[in-house]
Amino acid sequence: AQTVTQSQPEMSVQEAETVTLSCTYDTSESDYYLFWYKQPPSRQMILVIRQEAYKQQNATENRFSVNFQKAAKSFSLKISDSQLGDAAMYFCAYSPYNFNKFYFGSGTKLNVKP
Amino acid sequence: NAGVTQTPKFQVLKTGQSMTLQCAQDMNHEYMSWYRQDPGMGLRLIHYSVGAGITDQGEVPNGYNVSRSTTEDFPLRLLSAAPSQTSVYFCASSADWMAGNEQFFGPGTRLTVL
Repeated sequence: AQTVTQSQPEMSVQEAETVTLSCTYDTSESDYYLFWYKQPPSRQMILVIRQEAYKQQNATENRFSVNFQKAAKSFSLKISDSQLGDAAMYFCAYSPYNFNKFYFGSGTKLNVKP
Repeated sequence: NAGVTQTPKFQVLKTGQSMTLQCAQDMNHEYMSWYRQDPGMGLRLIHYSVGAGITDQGEVPNGYNVSRSTTEDFPLRLLSAAPSQTSVYFCASSADWMAGNEQFFGPGTRLTVL
């Protein structure tokens, strides 16, 4: 089975600052999908951003962007201009190219300080 | 649209009891799945279904049964609850099984087995 590793159990950032959450994964496939999901205290899982492995361009969604390094099998999430509402657990997930099964990392808890 | 709904939100069982966690979606999605979330481990796939009448096992299927008689509903049954099944359970759905589709999650059920 594929493994997804998030090595930062918890991080803190000052409001309006930038923070980067790390994610690495293990796969022998050349094509796949990667996701970042946000889980606020309400427990609701919300899609933040999605990246297709065969696309070289890093995905961007407003203040959220990724740094996708395929050779290094790294998929980090950058949050710019952090807001109090960004405080949540963030999960990195991998999906193989041929089926919509998700493999999740253990999560990073992000604290945002006013 | 209500999206993905789960009932109950909280449940306490005694060891050996059985129960069914309910999941329903109103988006006409073909693909549905069940995950469990344990502290420090992220979400792990229990069972999934690619359409009515078709189910298959995920990473951690032992102790759980599923069926899919309609497109909308995908209940998860615990036949004889064990303390190791204490967890938060999430149901998710996506348009189909094709890779890369966003999975929409329900609000979760927190289950405690004493």
